Amino acid sequence: DAGVIQSPRHEVTEMGQEVTLRCKPISGHNSLFWYRQTMMRGLELLIYFNNNVPIDDSGMPEDRFSAKMPNASFSTLKIQPSEPRDSAVYFCASKPVTDTQYFGPGTRLTVL
Amino acid sequence: QKEVEQNSGPLSVPEGAIASLNCTYSDRGSQSFFWYRQYSGKSPELIMFIYSNGDKEDGRFTAQLNKASQYVSLLIRDSQPSDSATYLCAVNPAPSNTGKLIFGQGTTLQVKP
Repeated sequence: DAGVIQSPRHEVTEMGQEVTLRCKPISGHNSLFWYRQTMMRGLELLIYFNNNVPIDDSGMPEDRFSAKMPNASFSTLKIQPSEPRDSAVYFCASKPVTDTQYFGPGTRLTVL
Repeated sequence: QKEVEQNSGPLSVPEGAIASLNCTYSDRGSQSFFWYRQYSGKSPELIMFIYSNGDKEDGRFTAQLNKASQYVSLLIRDSQPSDSATYLCAVNPAPSNTGKLIFGQGTTLQVKP
């Protein structure tokens, strides 16, 4: 069975550009989480969805960040406009009702 | 602010020794606790979870939980060089039905041959 799929795996962009990160959760999982990981701040939860509905977005750093989950098999995290301090590895994780979170391979974002 | 604290390390142990990784958490209502392993450049992967006070063993790994002291630990017996990684402690804070996890900064373990 395929795990969590994220794309792109690497993204290099210039400051001010829009960045869209994509995630396909494991089939049958009802919760989806977006994390950001940096050396300084570790692994931070940005937002999570249950049954496609955003439950807690208190970790989203500012209005430049937005996330959507239009259906059970797809989610996006968008940064507009991007800034150099957004450079990090962004992970998506999914979770079934009675188990823990499974992480995707991550997207390494570099904003120049 | 609900927090999870870990010593960043690195913790260096010789091959074959016991590695002891520690974690404290601030939310007394936390109900479930997880240890993830993360190799450099890779994503976190679940090693163990524990819900009840006491010890839980799985192969070379033992998780220990003390809710009164708000303390959880991971012991790795017969450490191998392949165990060298960053170990992340994660806590499911109250309310515990959300599936949300708060992660510590991680402890880097180095197992020297």
